[in-house]
Amino acid sequence: AQKVTQAQTEISVVEKEDVTLDCVYETRDTTYYLFWYKQPPSGELVFLIRRNSFDEQNEISGRYSWNFQKSTSSFNFTITASQVVDSAVYFCALSERGDSGYALNFGKGTSLLVTP
Amino acid sequence: NAGVTQTPKFQVLKTGQSMTLQCAQDMNHEYMSWYRQDPGMGLRLIHYSVGAGITDQGEVPNGYNVSRSTTEDFPLRLLSAAPSQTSVYFCASRRGTADSPLHFGNGTRLTVT
Repeated sequence: AQKVTQAQTEISVVEKEDVTLDCVYETRDTTYYLFWYKQPPSGELVFLIRRNSFDEQNEISGRYSWNFQKSTSSFNFTITASQVVDSAVYFCALSERGDSGYALNFGKGTSLLVTP
Repeated sequence: NAGVTQTPKFQVLKTGQSMTLQCAQDMNHEYMSWYRQDPGMGLRLIHYSVGAGITDQGEVPNGYNVSRSTTEDFPLRLLSAAPSQTSVYFCASRRGTADSPLHFGNGTRLTVT
């Protein structure tokens, strides 16, 4: 079963629009970690943020913000005033004890295209 | 710091050939792993290692072998390449604690004809 679901396969917005990328996860562990990664067209994977299961405080970093809600098992990512440079594939990932010793389980990714 | 270094960047193999994808990290990370990325599939874990001398299988281990003789190196071996192994391969490492983020190499694009 898919542990991390990113229901939005592709999103297209016009520059300066706000956009939210959804991430829903599934785990039975009480201690787990959630991550977001960015993969720009150049192909590298860039770490954006980590959240612990016991810290539901939302976080803002410049134009980026993350909303972690344990009640709905969601860890959504919002880009405010999007820019062309935000065009990338974004991956949400879950780290839990599981069968692979806290290996990262990735969602299938959301491809974001920001047009001028 | 070089971080995580993967070689080669590109490789074309014929069905049945074998090869080794190299991965080295210079951050003294205990944990290393290999993922493959296929269109629409996200990243899937092939093998991982929690320290030198210790390896284990991930979600899609068939057709691949790994070894971890040193902390720095974690090579991935394709024993007999198949077209289904055409993919982009990423090596990643992190500290030994579960909350540490993975640091990724730049990937190897492998095509098997």
